[in-house]
Amino acid sequence: KQEVTQIPAALSVPEGENLVLNCSFTDSAIYNLQWFRQDPGKGLTSLLLIQSSQREQTSGRLNASLDKSSGRSTLYIAASQPGDSATYLCAVFYSSASKIIFGSGTRLSIRP
Amino acid sequence: GAVVSQHPSWVICKSGTSVKIECRSLDFQATTMFWYRQFPKQSLMLMATSNEGSKATYEQGVEKDKFLINHASLTLSTLTVTSAHPEDSSFYICSVPGLADTGELFFGEGSRLTVL
Repeated sequence: KQEVTQIPAALSVPEGENLVLNCSFTDSAIYNLQWFRQDPGKGLTSLLLIQSSQREQTSGRLNASLDKSSGRSTLYIAASQPGDSATYLCAVFYSSASKIIFGSGTRLSIRP
Repeated sequence: GAVVSQHPSWVICKSGTSVKIECRSLDFQATTMFWYRQFPKQSLMLMATSNEGSKATYEQGVEKDKFLINHASLTLSTLTVTSAHPEDSSFYICSVPGLADTGELFFGEGSRLTVL
């Protein structure tokens, strides 16, 4: 069964800290993996997309890595800010089944 | 990336009535759109895949007669919740796939449905 798990479910850190969010998937035959941000009551904003052939992607203070062999991806946020507070979701796209499976998300709170 | 607009952003209705939610791809022609449902503090669950000019493909456990999907043009898909009940109260989000070779998804702002 294809499952996507995110740990931790919730995280609270003081402003300025660097932090890592984790995403693991059971089936390594992925097409790509995408990280999203969701603010309360809002839709999803795409942060980073990593193709299966890539190992990492960077955008500003965000860096996402992908290790297919171990079934893991991490989202690294540098110098966190209160505006980074949101729920972060990872989603894995399996081309074989044309299916996208979402993790349950990590609720991040950055304390001023 | 694609710009996706949903309307309404929130709606309250009485039990037994029907509610229509629109999903528009503003700058991208979409032959396929996806409809998700999200309960509080839970992740997104795919309900159905909307196909332009043909019938939608529903996920297992989703009642196609209750959740009517119409994809009449390359820029518009609608989800109608028929005979809504309180348990249908949820956050409904649509998404549009980007370029075929990337598999990237772009999401609307979501529509919160509350059934009294």
